[in-house]
Amino acid sequence: DGGITQSPKYLFRKEGQNVTLSCEQNLNHDAMYWYRQDPGQGLRLIYYSQIVNDFQKGDIAEGYSVSREKKESFPLTVTSAQKNPTAFYLCASSRDLNEKLFFGSGTQLSVL
Amino acid sequence: AQSVTQLDSQVPVFEEAPVELRCNYSSSVSVYLFWYVQYPNQGLQLLLKYLSGSTLVKSINGFEAEFNKSQTSFHLRKPSVHISDTAEYFCAVSDDVTGGFKTIFGAGTRLFVKA
Repeated sequence: DGGITQSPKYLFRKEGQNVTLSCEQNLNHDAMYWYRQDPGQGLRLIYYSQIVNDFQKGDIAEGYSVSREKKESFPLTVTSAQKNPTAFYLCASSRDLNEKLFFGSGTQLSVL
Repeated sequence: AQSVTQLDSQVPVFEEAPVELRCNYSSSVSVYLFWYVQYPNQGLQLLLKYLSGSTLVKSINGFEAEFNKSQTSFHLRKPSVHISDTAEYFCAVSDDVTGGFKTIFGAGTRLFVKA
Protein backbone atom coordinates (compact mmCIF):
# COMPACT_ATOMS: atom_id res chain seq x y z
CA ASP A 1 0.00 0.00 0.00
CA GLY A 2 1.15 3.53 -0.74
CA GLY A 3 1.66 5.96 2.06
CA ILE A 4 3.93 8.02 4.25
CA THR A 5 6.03 6.42 6.96
CA GLN A 6 7.42 8.41 9.84
CA SER A 7 9.88 6.98 12.32
CA PRO A 8 10.37 6.70 15.17
CA LYS A 9 6.93 7.11 16.72
CA TYR A 10 8.44 8.45 19.94
CA LEU A 11 11.82 10.16 20.31
CA PHE A 12 13.65 11.64 23.26
CA ARG A 13 16.32 14.32 22.99
CA LYS A 14 18.98 15.17 25.51
CA GLU A 15 20.12 18.73 26.11
CA GLY A 16 22.41 19.94 23.32
CA GLN A 17 21.74 16.95 21.11
CA ASN A 18 20.69 16.93 17.46
CA VAL A 19 18.05 14.38 16.49
CA THR A 20 16.73 13.38 13.08
CA LEU A 21 13.17 12.42 12.27
CA SER A 22 12.62 10.19 9.27
CA CYS A 23 9.92 10.61 6.63
CA GLU A 24 9.58 8.29 3.64
CA GLN A 25 6.83 8.23 1.01
CA ASN A 26 6.11 5.79 -1.80
CA LEU A 27 3.35 7.85 -3.39
CA ASN A 28 5.65 9.31 -6.06
CA HIS A 29 4.78 12.78 -4.79
CA ASP A 30 6.97 15.71 -5.74
CA ALA A 31 6.19 17.92 -2.74
CA MET A 32 6.94 17.12 0.88
CA TYR A 33 6.40 19.09 4.07
CA TRP A 34 7.22 19.14 7.78
CA TYR A 35 4.76 20.54 10.30
CA ARG A 36 4.98 21.06 14.02
CA GLN A 37 1.85 20.57 16.11
CA ASP A 38 1.50 22.07 19.58
CA PRO A 39 -1.65 21.85 21.72
CA GLY A 40 -4.11 24.61 20.88
CA GLN A 41 -1.98 25.98 18.04
CA GLY A 42 -2.80 23.76 15.11
CA LEU A 43 -0.08 22.97 12.60
CA ARG A 44 2.79 25.26 11.73
CA LEU A 45 4.95 24.75 8.66
CA ILE A 46 8.65 24.19 9.33
CA TYR A 47 10.07 23.40 5.89
CA TYR A 48 8.77 22.26 2.54
CA SER A 49 10.29 20.85 -0.61
CA GLN A 50 8.83 21.10 -4.11
CA ILE A 51 11.33 18.81 -5.81
CA VAL A 52 14.52 16.88 -5.13
CA ASN A 53 17.48 19.00 -4.01
CA ASP A 54 15.24 21.97 -3.32
CA PHE A 55 13.61 23.09 -0.08
CA GLN A 56 12.25 26.28 1.40
CA LYS A 57 11.79 27.61 4.91
CA GLY A 58 8.32 27.65 6.34
CA ASP A 59 7.00 29.82 9.13
CA ILE A 60 9.11 28.39 11.97
CA ALA A 61 12.33 27.08 10.41
CA GLU A 62 14.75 28.34 13.07
CA GLY A 63 16.47 25.48 14.88
CA TYR A 64 15.60 22.94 12.20
CA SER A 65 17.29 21.64 9.05
CA VAL A 66 16.21 19.35 6.22
CA SER A 67 17.57 17.62 3.13
CA ARG A 68 15.92 16.25 0.01
CA GLU A 69 18.46 14.02 -1.71
CA LYS A 70 15.84 11.54 -2.86
CA LYS A 71 12.26 12.02 -4.00
CA GLU A 72 11.03 9.51 -1.43
CA SER A 73 12.79 10.92 1.62
CA PHE A 74 12.63 14.21 3.53
CA PRO A 75 14.38 13.89 6.91
CA LEU A 76 14.08 16.64 9.52
CA THR A 77 16.89 17.40 11.97
CA VAL A 78 16.01 19.16 15.19
CA THR A 79 19.19 20.92 16.20
CA SER A 80 20.39 22.03 19.62
CA ALA A 81 19.48 25.56 18.57
CA GLN A 82 15.79 24.67 18.87
CA LYS A 83 15.16 25.57 22.49
CA ASN A 84 11.63 24.24 22.74
CA PRO A 85 11.57 21.07 20.64
CA THR A 86 8.87 19.16 22.52
CA ALA A 87 6.01 18.74 20.03
CA PHE A 88 4.28 16.36 17.68
CA TYR A 89 5.92 16.45 14.25
CA LEU A 90 3.97 15.61 11.12
CA CYS A 91 5.35 14.92 7.67
CA ALA A 92 3.13 15.34 4.62
CA SER A 93 3.34 15.08 0.86
CA SER A 94 1.28 16.10 -2.14
CA ARG A 95 1.35 15.22 -5.82
CA ASP A 96 1.46 18.74 -7.15
CA LEU A 97 0.07 22.23 -6.68
CA ASN A 98 -3.26 22.41 -4.88
CA GLU A 99 -3.54 18.69 -4.50
CA LYS A 100 -4.52 17.35 -1.13
CA LEU A 101 -1.97 16.70 1.57
CA PHE A 102 -1.26 13.16 2.71
CA PHE A 103 0.03 12.92 6.26
CA GLY A 104 2.21 10.45 8.10
CA SER A 105 1.25 9.23 11.57
CA GLY A 106 3.65 11.60 13.32
CA THR A 107 6.60 11.55 15.71
CA GLN A 108 6.30 12.74 19.30
CA LEU A 109 9.55 14.40 20.35
CA SER A 110 10.22 15.04 24.01
CA VAL A 111 13.18 16.48 25.91
CA LEU A 112 14.82 14.46 28.68
CA ALA B 1 -2.47 37.36 4.26
CA GLN B 2 -4.63 34.37 4.93
CA SER B 3 -5.81 33.17 8.31
CA VAL B 4 -8.18 30.61 9.74
CA THR B 5 -10.10 30.88 13.00
CA GLN B 6 -11.79 27.93 14.60
CA LEU B 7 -14.15 29.41 17.10
CA ASP B 8 -14.35 26.49 19.52
CA SER B 9 -11.38 24.65 20.99
CA GLN B 10 -13.54 21.83 22.39
CA VAL B 11 -17.06 20.66 21.60
CA PRO B 12 -18.66 18.01 23.82
CA VAL B 13 -21.81 16.39 22.45
CA PHE B 14 -23.93 13.33 23.16
CA GLU B 15 -24.07 10.44 20.73
CA GLU B 16 -26.72 10.82 18.01
CA ALA B 17 -26.96 14.58 18.58
CA PRO B 18 -26.18 17.07 15.81
CA VAL B 19 -22.93 19.00 15.83
CA GLU B 20 -21.46 22.08 14.16
CA LEU B 21 -17.77 22.96 14.22
CA ARG B 22 -17.24 26.56 13.25
CA CYS B 23 -14.56 27.92 10.96
CA ASN B 24 -14.00 31.43 9.64
CA TYR B 25 -11.27 32.47 7.26
CA SER B 26 -9.79 35.62 5.83
CA SER B 27 -8.17 35.91 2.43
CA SER B 28 -7.75 38.57 -0.18
CA VAL B 29 -7.72 36.10 -3.07
CA SER B 30 -9.55 32.98 -4.15
CA VAL B 31 -9.38 30.18 -1.64
CA TYR B 32 -9.52 26.46 -1.38
CA LEU B 33 -11.01 25.29 1.93
CA PHE B 34 -10.48 21.99 3.69
CA TRP B 35 -11.47 20.07 6.78
CA TYR B 36 -9.01 17.50 8.13
CA VAL B 37 -9.62 14.98 10.92
CA GLN B 38 -6.97 13.67 13.30
CA TYR B 39 -7.65 10.59 15.40
CA PRO B 40 -5.51 10.08 18.54
CA ASN B 41 -1.81 9.52 17.83
CA GLN B 42 -2.34 9.65 14.09
CA GLY B 43 -1.68 12.04 11.25
CA LEU B 44 -4.33 14.18 9.59
CA GLN B 45 -6.74 12.80 7.02
CA LEU B 46 -8.61 14.92 4.54
CA LEU B 47 -12.32 14.87 5.38
CA LEU B 48 -13.68 17.15 2.65
CA LYS B 49 -12.73 20.12 0.54
CA TYR B 50 -14.22 23.04 -1.34
CA LEU B 51 -12.46 24.04 -4.55
CA SER B 52 -15.25 25.52 -6.68
CA GLY B 53 -18.80 24.85 -7.81
CA SER B 54 -21.44 23.73 -5.31
CA THR B 55 -20.99 25.46 -1.98
CA LEU B 56 -22.16 22.38 -0.05
CA VAL B 57 -19.60 19.59 0.09
CA LYS B 58 -20.01 16.22 1.74
CA SER B 59 -17.79 13.46 3.09
CA ILE B 60 -18.43 9.74 2.91
CA ASN B 61 -19.04 9.43 6.66
CA GLY B 62 -21.91 11.89 6.95
CA PHE B 63 -20.12 15.21 7.51
CA GLU B 64 -20.87 18.21 5.34
CA ALA B 65 -19.59 21.76 5.11
CA GLU B 66 -20.96 24.83 3.42
CA PHE B 67 -18.84 27.57 1.89
CA ASN B 68 -20.36 30.95 2.67
CA LYS B 69 -18.42 33.66 0.89
CA SER B 70 -20.35 36.59 2.35
CA GLN B 71 -19.73 35.37 5.90
CA THR B 72 -16.27 33.98 5.10
CA SER B 73 -17.20 30.75 6.83
CA PHE B 74 -16.82 27.04 6.18
CA HIS B 75 -18.62 25.37 9.10
CA LEU B 76 -18.59 21.59 9.44
CA ARG B 77 -21.81 19.80 10.40
CA LYS B 78 -23.12 16.34 11.06
CA PRO B 79 -26.78 15.62 11.87
CA SER B 80 -26.07 12.66 14.15
CA VAL B 81 -22.63 11.90 15.62
CA HIS B 82 -21.17 8.58 16.70
CA ILE B 83 -18.65 7.75 19.41
CA SER B 84 -16.15 7.01 16.64
CA ASP B 85 -16.32 10.66 15.49
CA THR B 86 -14.34 11.67 18.59
CA ALA B 87 -11.25 13.34 17.15
CA GLU B 88 -9.64 16.70 16.49
CA TYR B 89 -10.84 18.56 13.44
CA PHE B 90 -8.78 21.14 11.57
CA CYS B 91 -10.08 23.72 9.16
CA ALA B 92 -7.54 24.84 6.55
CA VAL B 93 -7.27 27.35 3.72
CA SER B 94 -5.01 27.30 0.70
CA ASP B 95 -4.31 30.23 -1.59
CA ASP B 96 -4.18 29.23 -5.24
CA VAL B 97 -1.91 32.17 -5.93
CA THR B 98 0.80 30.57 -3.80
CA GLY B 99 0.07 27.21 -5.30
CA GLY B 100 -1.15 25.60 -2.13
CA PHE B 101 2.29 24.97 -0.70
CA LYS B 102 1.48 27.00 2.36
CA THR B 103 -1.81 25.60 3.53
CA ILE B 104 -2.82 27.52 6.64
CA PHE B 105 -4.35 25.43 9.40
CA GLY B 106 -6.66 26.52 12.18
CA ALA B 107 -5.88 25.69 15.80
CA GLY B 108 -8.23 22.71 15.79
CA THR B 109 -11.48 21.77 17.49
CA ARG B 110 -11.56 18.71 19.69
CA LEU B 111 -14.88 16.89 19.35
CA PHE B 112 -15.87 14.68 22.29
CA VAL B 113 -18.82 12.37 21.67
CA LYS B 114 -20.30 10.99 24.87
CA ALA B 115 -22.56 7.94 25.25
